[in-house]
Amino acid sequence: SQQGEEDPQALSIQEGENATMNCSYKTSINNLQWYRQNSGRGLVHLILIRSNEREKHSGRLRVTLDTSKKSSSLLITASRAADTASYFCATDNQAGTALIFGKGTTLSVSS
Amino acid sequence: DAGVIQSPRHEVTEMGQEVTLRCKPISGHNSLFWYRQTMMRGLELLIYFNNNVPIDDSGMPEDRFSAKMPNASFSTLKIQPSEPRDSAVYFCASSKLAGGSYNEQFFGPGTRLTVL
Repeated sequence: SQQGEEDPQALSIQEGENATMNCSYKTSINNLQWYRQNSGRGLVHLILIRSNEREKHSGRLRVTLDTSKKSSSLLITASRAADTASYFCATDNQAGTALIFGKGTTLSVSS
Repeated sequence: DAGVIQSPRHEVTEMGQEVTLRCKPISGHNSLFWYRQTMMRGLELLIYFNNNVPIDDSGMPEDRFSAKMPNASFSTLKIQPSEPRDSAVYFCASSKLAGGSYNEQFFGPGTRLTVL
């Protein structure tokens, strides 16, 4: 069963705009990860945020975590056409031994 | 560093045939995961290994699916007999350690399976 659910399912923006994707999950977590998948490729890890962290940055990426609301957001600033991809959040399975992925947000950035 | 290697990249087979997917994890990684991705169901965890031992195969859909990891550098996912509903992209991923969300997973390029 899926732990995380991303919102929106699809997002279309222009180059230079910011893109925000949200993830909601059901049970308590240890950490939350975000991954990117380009068309026809495997997933690539972007960032890991721990349950005791509220915000984390990596380059143009900003991730927030609100454990009280069981939600996380991924912000991509100054988007580029190369950011076009699907983005997934992932949290622990029930045993805490593996990741469970949401269905992803498909981001399309047009130039 | 080669990354996770999967073969074949594409497989087209007929219903009833046996299909074997192969994976070579990153050297030094102790955990290996098999996923299946479809439009309808998203990315599903099928089975994972820690130190070559299967830990949880509850995601394997049916007895037609089996997975092995005979050593630290090789794993197979076998479907016998295959059915059209098995058509999907199958990913292998590895991580340095077990422990769910504590560790980054590295994904292979996937095998696109089409069962006619």
